Amino acid sequence: DAGITQSPRHKVTETGTPVTLRCHQTENHRYMYWYRQDPGHGLRLIHYSYGVKDTDKGEVSDGYSVSRSKTEDFLLTLESATSSQTSVYFCAISSLGETQYFGPGTRLLVL
Amino acid sequence: SQQGEEDPQALSIQEGENATMNCSYKTSINNLQWYRQNSGRGLVHLILIRSNEREKHSGRLRVTLDTSKKSSSLLITASRAADTASYFCATDSSGANSKLTFGKGITLSVRP
Repeated sequence: DAGITQSPRHKVTETGTPVTLRCHQTENHRYMYWYRQDPGHGLRLIHYSYGVKDTDKGEVSDGYSVSRSKTEDFLLTLESATSSQTSVYFCAISSLGETQYFGPGTRLLVL
Repeated sequence: SQQGEEDPQALSIQEGENATMNCSYKTSINNLQWYRQNSGRGLVHLILIRSNEREKHSGRLRVTLDTSKKSSSLLITASRAADTASYFCATDSSGANSKLTFGKGITLSVRP
């Protein structure tokens, strides 16, 4: 597996609280992505990064923000969590922007 | 909206049989990729086929691409119980900064 980790792996939080998920890579890949996976929807892109401090929105970016201050870390923040953000979140990395390597996922439950 | 849509949604076969999964997409692409996801795990890349390629092989996997029909198929030959997983097609239609659009996936069950 590519050197990619996600933390935390599981989180339960309450509506209205801020939540930050971390993706960490040891591969020095340029591209990093955040997806959410929900039954019936497959994987949907939230935000992605094409370099340090270079990020852009994906298909379902509302309610999420990201930051990438160094190559190895890509943070996803839910400013004020809602129940609709209960999901499994996957981080992925890519060196050339083609093949993507996925992390193990973070299960988030917003009560 | 989803770019790639897989067909069928679910497939159940006997070990040793071949499994064929299809993917259709709507806009022109740079490449199309197939990924596998075992239950509770992250996705694993299987194979990538570029828009100027028609067929590619990797071990027991064969993927075809028909850009005129905007469709692709993934064939797994001599299936094994360990092939039981969800399979996703993903298309890259982006410009300078590459990103993929995933389909909803196909659930493959291989009975021992």
